[in-house]
This record gives sequence, C-alpha cells and structure tokens, in this order.
Amino acid sequence: TQLLEQSPQFLSIQEGENLTVYCNSSSVFSSLQWYRQEPGEGPVLLVTVVTGGEVKKLKRLTFQFGDARKDSSLHITAAQPGDTGLYLCAGATNDYKLSFGAGTTVTVRA
Amino acid sequence: DAGVIQSPRHEVTEMGQEVTLRCKPISGHNSLFWYRQTMMRGLELLIYFNNNVPIDDSGMPEDRFSAKMPNASFSTLKIQPSEPRDSAVYFCASGGQGMYEQYFGPGTRLTVT
Repeated sequence: TQLLEQSPQFLSIQEGENLTVYCNSSSVFSSLQWYRQEPGEGPVLLVTVVTGGEVKKLKRLTFQFGDARKDSSLHITAAQPGDTGLYLCAGATNDYKLSFGAGTTVTVRA
Repeated sequence: DAGVIQSPRHEVTEMGQEVTLRCKPISGHNSLFWYRQTMMRGLELLIYFNNNVPIDDSGMPEDRFSAKMPNASFSTLKIQPSEPRDSAVYFCASGGQGMYEQYFGPGTRLTVT
C-alpha cells in the first residue's frame, strides 16, 4: 500500500488543455515534493512545498500544499508536448526519508 | 556542476552472478539514497546514508543485498547472488545538509536472466 495515493494513474490530453494531478495521504508531512521523470532518466525535482496552504508557481505549473499538509495538487495550464512524463509526488518526514506515490503518467498530444 | 553519477547505465547478468552498482553523489551533499523502481512497485527506498553512515536499511529486500559508503564521494550497492526478480532500474540520489530535496542519478537498468 502506497503511503501517498496519486490520481489519476494515467492522463492523456491534447496540447493546450489544462490538467490537474492529485496526491493524497492520511499522513502529515514536513514537506512535499513533485518530480517529473522522463523515460530512461531519473526523477527531476520540480518544486518543494513546506507550509500548509502554500501555493507555488513555476511558469505554467501551479503546485498547492493542503492546509493540513496531507495532500497536494499539481495543475498545468495550456499543456505542451514537452510536459509529457511521469509525475511523482513525495512526502518527507523529519528524518529526510521520502515516501513516493506511484506516479501519474501524463501524455500531451500535439 | 556534475550531478549524481551512476555506473554502469545498463547491466545484464545471469542468475547467480554478483552485481555491483556504483554511485558518486553531488559534491558537498551528505545524504545518499538507493532506490529501486519497477512497474509493479514504483519507486522504493532501499537504504539511506547520512555522513557515510547507514541510517535506515529497512527497505533492503534480503541479505543478498548490501550497500556501502566508504567515503563521501562513493557508494556501492551489491547483489550477491542475483536473481531474475532483482531486474529493475536502480537509482542513487543525494541531498544536502538540512535539505529534503533529493537529486537523482540517471539510474542503472539491471536485467538478470
């Protein structure tokens, strides 16, 4: 059983559309991170959120940390083919271990 | 600045053989993590070191797996003897003092036949 549940598991959209990926848990985390992984590569850190209710924006990507620090969402506006990849959320506990969700595979069609 | 370096990138071996995976963390980082990724189980933490000392090895699947970090710039993950079910992509990641963020290497794709 994953400590962090991600939904949906797969997402296929047309270029220009918006999408949201969710990451939920019953546990409280010190921080939560989002990574993107492309085939044949390791996960690449996109953002870290630390404060409950925090919202961070990275160009067309918006990340939100839930008030209770148990859940998070990633929203992509006007998706592009370059956004295609596996999106992973990871929650950190005080000992710096990360618990990863199973990931959401996003495909953006041109 | 070089990222996390892993070698080899691909390894194909026969069941029963010893396999050694290598990792060079980012200079200055004091935490090092070994993960295994499969389609079925996703990304699993195997072991992590802090200041070269193993802190938590509860994710190591069995005694066939061992990891060492003899100095701040090098770590190995060894599987002896290897089995087909060990086939996976193995990642090394490092993190800095007080940092929750981890920086991943490109991974080693291991195939045990």
